[in-house]
This record gives sequence, structure tokens and C-alpha cells, in this order.
Amino acid sequence: QPVLTQPPSASASPGASVTLTCTLNSAYSNYKVEWYQQRPGKGPRFVMRVGTGEIVGSKGDGIPDRFSVLGSGPNRYLMIRNIQEDDESDYYCATDHGSGGTFVRVFGGGTKLTVL
Amino acid sequence: EVRLVESGGGLVQPGGSLRLSCVASGFTFYQYAMSWVRQAPGKGLEWVSIINNSETATYYADSVKGRFAISRDDSKNTLYLRMDDLGAEDTAFYFCARVVYEHGGHFEDYWGQGTLVTVSS
Repeated sequence: QPVLTQPPSASASPGASVTLTCTLNSAYSNYKVEWYQQRPGKGPRFVMRVGTGEIVGSKGDGIPDRFSVLGSGPNRYLMIRNIQEDDESDYYCATDHGSGGTFVRVFGGGTKLTVL
Repeated sequence: EVRLVESGGGLVQPGGSLRLSCVASGFTFYQYAMSWVRQAPGKGLEWVSIINNSETATYYADSVKGRFAISRDDSKNTLYLRMDDLGAEDTAFYFCARVVYEHGGHFEDYWGQGTLVTVSS
């Protein structure tokens, strides 16, 4: 089944840019991935979806233009430019896999983004 | 506005049972698949279960298979999760989420705020 690997932490200063990475295991390197933002004490919020190129479909409600995605090989990137204090959150990637009457949904371990 | 409100969490003893509910509003509930995702305190997200819009298909994570049962009542716009034989490893916030199917994949596009289940003696 798919495995998603994320670095546990990232940091950036206000106004700077940051790229968060989610890596698929090789057998699933062409899978689409969703990005979620989770602020402390809140439920996750859908950000957007990415395949092997750019965004797939639409961004989640209220996601600013500062957020973008890119896919290359097994890596799926979430880029945030002009970082705001409000962007400090945990970010998760996820994908699903259905085969032969089975279904599984997999989340990465998450990256905690700290705004310095 | 899409709204999902979970309830039913609480403290339960090991081996006990609990039923979670999730009331949906702001969208046509019966048209969507729904899922449960949990998060142990301070840990990452773990998918638990999904049910399709016609209740003809349900799937579970291996960690809960045979102990948890997902169901829905479209007349009440409500999603349920019946949890039996609970263990300490089931302690978590449980989120319900609306699921969409687009471009060949299923994903959650709206989430609730979660309800906390604590399994302890």
C-alpha cells in the first residue's frame, strides 16, 4: 500500500517562503496527494490536491493564493510564500488506494510548520 | 456552509463500547460518502473507516476491522461509528469528514472539530 513520508518539522520567518515535501514510496510514485492544514485544537482543513504536475481540481475554501503545489517524481510539494503567523500549523499529505475490493486511505506523519 | 458536528465521545473502560455521531448540514448528505479519521493526542492523523453514499460499501483500517462499524441515517443527516472492544490504543480525537470522488480518487474536503474518546480504567 502507499506510504507517505514527511519531514517532522519546518520553519520560516514572516514574509519568507517555505516548501513542504511529501514523498510517495516508489510503487505509488504517480499517485495524487491531498494536502491538509491543521491548526492547534482544530479539525483539518483541505488545502488542495496535486498529482505529477500542478494542482488537481480546486483549492479548499478560503485557501489564499500564497499556497501552491507541485508534483515531481515521487515528491509532492506544498509551497507557501509570504508566510504569515496564521500559517503556523501542522500540514499533512494523504492519498488513497483501492484494489480488488479493498480500500485504504493513508496519511503522512505530518510536518509542523513554525513561523519564527 | 458545510457543517459537521461530532458527539458521543467520553471516558470508557477497556473492553467497553461507544457510539459516535456526526450531524451534517449545509449540503445534500445522502449524495456523499463519509469517513472517520482519528488522531491520538499529540500524534498524526489515522484513517479509520469510510462508507459510500448508498451504504452498500464500507471499508476499515486494519487496526479497527472487526471492532468498529460505520453506518449512516440519511433521514437524519447523521453518520455513526460504533466502537466495541475498545483498548488504550483507541484513545484519540475522532473526526468525521465529507468525502468527494474526483479525478480518480477519494478525499475529505470538509471536516468536523472532533470528539475525544478516552479509554482508561
